[in-house]
Amino acid sequence: AIQLTQSPSSLSASVGDRVTITCRASQGISSALAWYQQKPGKAPKLLIYDASSLESGVPSRFSGSGSGTDFTLTISSLQPEDFATYYCQQFNSYLSLTFGGGTKVEIK
Amino acid sequence: QVTLKESGPVLVKPTETLTLTCTVSGFSLSNARMGVSWIRQPPGKALEWLAHIFSNDEKSYSTSLKSRLTISKDTSKSQVVLTMTNMDPVDTATYYCARIMVGDYGEGGYFDYWGQGTLVTVSS
Repeated sequence: AIQLTQSPSSLSASVGDRVTITCRASQGISSALAWYQQKPGKAPKLLIYDASSLESGVPSRFSGSGSGTDFTLTISSLQPEDFATYYCQQFNSYLSLTFGGGTKVEIK
Repeated sequence: QVTLKESGPVLVKPTETLTLTCTVSGFSLSNARMGVSWIRQPPGKALEWLAHIFSNDEKSYSTSLKSRLTISKDTSKSQVVLTMTNMDPVDTATYYCARIMVGDYGEGGYFDYWGQGTLVTVSS
């Protein structure tokens, strides 16, 4: 099964900061990657799909890039409501879908 | 609008079988390029995909849990059912169902709508 490694596992940042989270796949997955935001006690929310396509209604400060094995989620200017845990997910294989281990974004 | 809602027991005993139902609205389980997945999250831990079923009734299961899982759907009732046998305390988690959309890349899909989740505790 394809494994996803997110880094860092946690980070502290201030409002207005530019934040970058990376996701590395154990083998090439083309652009078959999505990013989610999860707040405590809530279901995850889709942010990005197909590696770089912004889901409808998601603020433009969120962006995704990458293909193959290395991917990035960037928040251009961190807002108070962005403090949450972020997960990547690959869907290259129909038979097995996997999530990364998560990155918790905390207030500095 | 699209909604998904999980239902099932909140407490199961070790060795019992868990049956969860996902009732969907706002879309049909017969829609092409769509399906429903089950995903779980143990307290304080990461998300884990369990299984999915597509409109053509194609199914897939997590390799590590395949022997314990069965997924099925009733299109007329707009329901997807997951059963997990031989429950253990390590299976304590919030269980989510989510709509899966086939992406432009890869063979699987991403999850664009999620249910609120249901916490299942395994304890005697």
